Amino acid sequence: DAGITQSPRHKVTETGTPVTLRCHQTENHRYMYWYRQDPGHGLRLIHYSYGVKDTDKGEVSDGYSVSRSKTEDFLLTLESATSSQTSVYFCAIGTSGYYEQYFGPGTRLTVT
Amino acid sequence: AQKVTQAQTEISVVEKEDVTLDCVYETRDTTYYLFWYKQPPSGELVFLIRRNSFDEQNEISGRYSWNFQKSTSSFNFTITASQVVDSAVYFCALSEPFNSGGSNYKLTFGKGTLLTVNP
Repeated sequence: DAGITQSPRHKVTETGTPVTLRCHQTENHRYMYWYRQDPGHGLRLIHYSYGVKDTDKGEVSDGYSVSRSKTEDFLLTLESATSSQTSVYFCAIGTSGYYEQYFGPGTRLTVT
Repeated sequence: AQKVTQAQTEISVVEKEDVTLDCVYETRDTTYYLFWYKQPPSGELVFLIRRNSFDEQNEISGRYSWNFQKSTSSFNFTITASQVVDSAVYFCALSEPFNSGGSNYKLTFGKGTLLTVNP
């Protein structure tokens, strides 16, 4: 199994508060991704990174920002959480952009 | 724009039955990759297989087999002699460049098929 961890695994927060989710990998993979999974929508890409300090938006990036200062860490920040951001968030890593991605265990975020 | 359609939202079978999960995709690119992932009730996402657009050979791995047909833009997944442990949501996904000629690829997932295998 790919060495990917996500923290926290569960979080409950209030509307309007900032939240940061962390993805950590031990595989030295170049590509890292953040997805959200919601019923009826499958997995949707939020942001991705193709190297240290190199990031770009996915299909549902509004309300989210990311940072990658080290190869092994990719942070997802909700600047001001809203109830619509209640979801399960998955981090993924990949050796190249077009090959398979390996997923972390997920973070369940509830915004009340 | 690319699209992945898994028309079967839910399938329920009895153990030992064979079951086929359908996946139809749309893309304008000639080079692309197709994937299947499994998400068991525990929630993790498990990579099962990758197939590139130039390789139409079917693949078999134990009780699992995959049928890739470019002519119908389909990449179907068959489980032979299903078992209760096969119960999961299965996702088909398509990888293609963010931009034409670009080097960064995106993975678009179908909405998944919930397979329930009853004893």
